[in-house]
Amino acid sequence: AQSVAQPEDQVNVAEGNPLTVKCTYSVSGNPYLFWYVQYPNRGLQFLLKYITGDNLVKGSYGFEAEFNKSQTSFHLKKPSALVSDSALYFCAAGGSGGSYIPTFGRGTSLIVHP
Amino acid sequence: DVKVTQSSRYLVKRTGEKVFLECVQDMDHENMFWYRQDPGLGLRLIYFSYDVKMKEKGDIPEGYSVSREKKERFSLILESASTNQTSMYLCASSLRFGPNQPQHFGDGTRLSIL
Repeated sequence: AQSVAQPEDQVNVAEGNPLTVKCTYSVSGNPYLFWYVQYPNRGLQFLLKYITGDNLVKGSYGFEAEFNKSQTSFHLKKPSALVSDSALYFCAAGGSGGSYIPTFGRGTSLIVHP
Repeated sequence: DVKVTQSSRYLVKRTGEKVFLECVQDMDHENMFWYRQDPGLGLRLIYFSYDVKMKEKGDIPEGYSVSREKKERFSLILESASTNQTSMYLCASSLRFGPNQPQHFGDGTRLSIL
């Protein structure tokens, strides 16, 4: 069965500092990886995806994610955090050899302090 | 942009009532999904549909049913509401079926069962 782990329930970072939100996955076949963001009282918004190609994927709002096949990780990064980046972040993963529905992690709350 | 609209943002119902949650997408997407979101548990898939009148159980289908009579509309039904179904319900759609498809979410319905 495929699975996604987001090892940190909460990440705290000061505004202007780089941020990383971690995600590791386990899927069958080639991985398809996603990051979503959820602001309070809203649904999830798609940020970026890795399907194939470059290990560094660029997405919306200045976010990027680094795919590492050997570590089965797909960490979300941003060079300089903004207070407005404070939200709940979800990683999701699917595989070419498994379920056709991506599995979501439990989410990581990002808090950016002024 | 894809728009997924959920008919109610907040809903309060009583135990034993039959509850209908409605979702409409405007981009001719093939697939639609219902999730529930609970703190610490992330998103859990209730049902999904890959075509009109077709439905598949997700991870937690017990106590729920769905209906997809038209491509753009996917309804979630709580047959006899119980207090443990108090939750945030999220509807999503994706263009095609497959693990590499990003999902587009509605803003959610926060359902309280009293």
